[in-house]
Amino acid sequence: LAKTTQPISMDSYEGQEVNITCSHNNIATNDYITWYQQFPSQGPRFIIQGYKTKVTNEVASLFIPADRKSSTLSLPRVSLSDTAVYYCLVGSDNQGGKLIFGQGTELSVKP
Amino acid sequence: DVKVTQSSRYLVKRTGEKVFLECVQDMDHENMFWYRQDPGLGLRLIYFSYDVKMKEKGDIPEGYSVSREKKERFSLILESASTNQTSMYLCASSGGGAAFQETQYFGPGTRLLVL
Repeated sequence: LAKTTQPISMDSYEGQEVNITCSHNNIATNDYITWYQQFPSQGPRFIIQGYKTKVTNEVASLFIPADRKSSTLSLPRVSLSDTAVYYCLVGSDNQGGKLIFGQGTELSVKP
Repeated sequence: DVKVTQSSRYLVKRTGEKVFLECVQDMDHENMFWYRQDPGLGLRLIYFSYDVKMKEKGDIPEGYSVSREKKERFSLILESASTNQTSMYLCASSGGGAAFQETQYFGPGTRLLVL
């Protein structure tokens, strides 16, 4: 099973770019990498998903190196409202389907 | 917008009670999931279902069962609640296709306290 490892917490200031890296050394060929954001007292919310190289949407970018053993979520110019927990998720439907969430990274954005 | 609702935000039960947690989604999604979330452990998958009456065990199914009689509804059952099942329970749904690759939409969660 692909186990994921993320930093437990990170601090940043408004306007900075934040990069959160997730390590998934045992990622399988068919696994996708997905990132979710969670605010207190709410369920997680989808941010971005990728398989390889780089993916960008209106909220974030996701960088995945060729070996796919890690991925980096990049949040450009964070604001106070980006303070949340960010989860990395690796999974596919192969071999019984396993889904592994990381422990989450608590991002604190300060003014 | 997809809406996933859970029957209760907060629930207090006693050890040994049978507990039902209900989840309903309004987007005709094939896949539904139950997770528990604990400090320091992140989200852990309990059970999932990819079709009516179908269920698959996740990573921590012990002590839980599920029921999916209708497409929009997925129930988590604690047959005999124990204190170590005190947790936040999150339900999610996703559309057709690969269950673990589709975007999951989460409900607000049910915080269960077992005394």
